[in-house]
Amino acid sequence: AQKVTQAQTEISVVEKEDVTLDCVYETRDTTYYLFWYKQPPSGELVFLIRRNSFDEQNEISGRYSWNFQKSTSSFNFTITASQVVDSAVYFCALSQNTGGFKTIFGAGTRLFVKA
Amino acid sequence: SAVISQKPSRDICQRGTSLTIQCQVDSQVTMMFWYRQQPGQSLTLIATANQGSEATYESGFVIDKFPISRPNLTFSTLTVSNMSPEDSSIYLCSVGVGRTSEAFFGQGTRLTVV
Repeated sequence: AQKVTQAQTEISVVEKEDVTLDCVYETRDTTYYLFWYKQPPSGELVFLIRRNSFDEQNEISGRYSWNFQKSTSSFNFTITASQVVDSAVYFCALSQNTGGFKTIFGAGTRLFVKA
Repeated sequence: SAVISQKPSRDICQRGTSLTIQCQVDSQVTMMFWYRQQPGQSLTLIATANQGSEATYESGFVIDKFPISRPNLTFSTLTVSNMSPEDSSIYLCSVGVGRTSEAFFGQGTRLTVV
């Protein structure tokens, strides 16, 4: 079975606060890929990061950082010093070898950053 | 990477009619995927379209309602048949590229059925 759970439906923060978006996944495959996408109000999907199952190194890109922990099947996303432009829906996604690497999405977390 | 062109970008259709959405990729890809995003919802996979074979549909989606064509490695179409207001959604084409299988998405087709 392949499943992605984003338990946080909506998060509201004040600008400059740090915020972490949670993602828990389920897969039986040993080879899989995890993604985060951003969908701003304009509607397009913006790719943020990809992680393969063999690379547990955390990654930092500017104000964004990702914490991948296989032991807990989690791939959490932190925005440091949030800005109003970060307001969007964020999707965590999983693709696995079984099933031809089709990508399954979590329900999404809507982030509101208030000025 | 892959650049995906999807047409139309949006349409307003009468109930009972059908709409065909086109997806063109700038490189040859084995697998193409069609997703639906209903208002305020996540992306749900409709089907996987492989060149030279029948599309594989996910649970809850049937070929009669969402026929798919995949005539070559750079092009696919999705038809939304006999539309009802419940079909109002964003439909997205996606391709998996390379060993990383990163999913690239088209801009989507915003469909409103009245």
